[in-house]
Amino acid sequence: NAGVTQTPKFQVLKTGQSMTLQCAQDMNHEYMSWYRQDPGMGLRLIHYSVGAGITDQGEVPNGYNVSRSTTEDFPLRLLSAAPSQTSVYFCASSYTGTGWNTQYFGPGTRLTVL
Amino acid sequence: GIQVEQSPPDLILQEGANSTLRCNFSDSVNNLQWFHQNPWGQLINLFYIPSGTKQNGRLSATTVATERYSLLYISSSQTTDSGVYFCAGGQGGNKLVFGAGTILRVKS
Repeated sequence: NAGVTQTPKFQVLKTGQSMTLQCAQDMNHEYMSWYRQDPGMGLRLIHYSVGAGITDQGEVPNGYNVSRSTTEDFPLRLLSAAPSQTSVYFCASSYTGTGWNTQYFGPGTRLTVL
Repeated sequence: GIQVEQSPPDLILQEGANSTLRCNFSDSVNNLQWFHQNPWGQLINLFYIPSGTKQNGRLSATTVATERYSLLYISSSQTTDSGVYFCAGGQGGNKLVFGAGTILRVKS
């Protein structure tokens, strides 16, 4: 099992550019989510999905879009990058049954917006 | 929403020492997890512990759900224990709210 994979590892964008951060998992997890980590603030939930075709907003969704067409993939799209989106982005996945929802994280994508 | 408070924010230990990290929640949670972020940024799940006590090697965790707090114990610390420890909680489902973390440095 590769677990949770993310690409790219690093990315530099200019203000206004768009891009997609990729996330995939091979554990057949129903739940997938995106977090951003900023210094001293822990992780904050951006968007999440409880299964293919179902997505919902987290704590800080503005400026980001997601879709979930398959169980395995959960891409995060930045529509028009802003310097405030400079952060480290983590994707996570888990089962959804109570007692089975230990979350597993990908290695992260470090994004810089100039 | 839920507020998660972790203490202490920073901790420096000599190798071999023991430590206790605390996590307080503003409301009841039924999904509580502890994570370790190593110096390379990788987040590893340590415990899923909405209540009770669990042990894994030198690490153990206790959650007192009725009083809305959880403790992570690290015994005989090693330099490889350095990093940031996060607790996170949620009310139903898989959504988690994270604390700001405890930065641990273990010196040899």
